[in-house]
Amino acid sequence: NAGVTQTPKFHILKIGQSMTLQCTQDMNHNYMYWYRQDPGMGLKLIYYSVGAGITDKGEVPNGYNVSRSTTEDFPLRLELAAPSQTSVYFCASSLHDPTGNTIYFGEGSWLTVV
Amino acid sequence: TQLLEQSPQFLSIQEGENLTVYCNSSSVFSSLQWYRQEPGEGPVLLVTVVTGGEVKKLKRLTFQFGDARKDSSLHITAAQPGDTGLYLCAGERGSQGNLIFGKGTKLSVKP
Repeated sequence: NAGVTQTPKFHILKIGQSMTLQCTQDMNHNYMYWYRQDPGMGLKLIYYSVGAGITDKGEVPNGYNVSRSTTEDFPLRLELAAPSQTSVYFCASSLHDPTGNTIYFGEGSWLTVV
Repeated sequence: TQLLEQSPQFLSIQEGENLTVYCNSSSVFSSLQWYRQEPGEGPVLLVTVVTGGEVKKLKRLTFQFGDARKDSSLHITAAQPGDTGLYLCAGERGSQGNLIFGKGTKLSVKP
């Protein structure tokens, strides 16, 4: 039962470097999301996608980019990493239909920018 | 601007006690979800409430959605150490499935 899989689990990045957080889901969900969770601040939506080829900004998109070339994959790209991007990143997916919208989260990716 | 206010932020109780966590907003939500998150893991959905005034029970957990769909509460009866974790409420606005999360309530239940 894979569900939502994120890689890497932990990563240290230097200021100004770039990297991609990978996310894949095997539940054929149409919706996918990227959230970041800072200590004591809850989760904030970075980007989301309602289907392959469609992406949209969430609450805190600056410094990030996403793509959704397939239903399964939703990578998050960090360009020119900054210390403010040190956080825990969660990818999530859901089957958004008239019966409901249960969101399944991955286990998280801990990113430190130094 | 924090649209969803959760209280209390921290709660430490003894096994067997009851507790209530509150989630309040000035905004109306189409649905409200409660999640539980353990250290090193992602949030796991406990329940979704959709209708104003709705009450849902999950074993010792009782969830209520306010009549105006602006607030919600989670009540745990006879708390157990296994209930320890971070409880998050999240409101859904519109039809895109985007959730606005509260900051969470960190619950510790001591044996």
